[in-house]
Amino acid sequence: KNEVEQSPQNLTAQEGEFITINCSYSVGISALHWLQQHPGGGIVSLFMLSSGKKKHGRLIATINIQEKHSSLHITASHPRDSAVYICAVGPNTGNQFYFGTGTSLTVIP
Amino acid sequence: EAQVTQNPRYLITVTGKKLTVTCSQNMNHEYMSWYRQDPGLGLRQIYYSMNVEVTDKGDVPEGYKVSRKEKRNFPLILESPSPNQTSLYFCASRRNGGGNTIYFGEGSWLTVV
Repeated sequence: KNEVEQSPQNLTAQEGEFITINCSYSVGISALHWLQQHPGGGIVSLFMLSSGKKKHGRLIATINIQEKHSSLHITASHPRDSAVYICAVGPNTGNQFYFGTGTSLTVIP
Repeated sequence: EAQVTQNPRYLITVTGKKLTVTCSQNMNHEYMSWYRQDPGLGLRQIYYSMNVEVTDKGDVPEGYKVSRKEKRNFPLILESPSPNQTSLYFCASRRNGGGNTIYFGEGSWLTVV
């Protein structure tokens, strides 16, 4: 049983396209995290959110607590956005994080 | 600069030869954890620690040991590595509580032959 499910697993887009990655979770959470992992590289935190919406540059993250669902949007996608995007949740009980298996995004020039 | 530092970054070793992957953080975080990342499986937690001298098993602890003698350090020990431990390993830290930003190290590529 996966506490966090992401879709799609793989995504290819043309430069400039609007991209959406979805995340659904089954546990009560303190916060949901969106992470980015470039090929061969480390993992960085993009967003941490527990309600509503956050925006950073061309990236927007939203969360619906009642539906246990979050989306990560990328506007005007660029080849440098090519990476794996990982959804993670910090549950409201205990200290363990649960991770989705990631969405591999490729943006073609 | 806030950092989680892992070493070594790349290692090829032989079956049965004990090795240690070090992890150090400079943010005074209580919580530290180790993950392995394998294709199609995502990040899986090996061990975590909520504070000095407090460690707990994650989802895949078999074949690994950890210690937390100091707040900043959380080494991962493979007493007798086997080929199924070939993986990409990440150390991470954050303040206790699921609502805090998590910081990852750069990753350690480990190959056991």
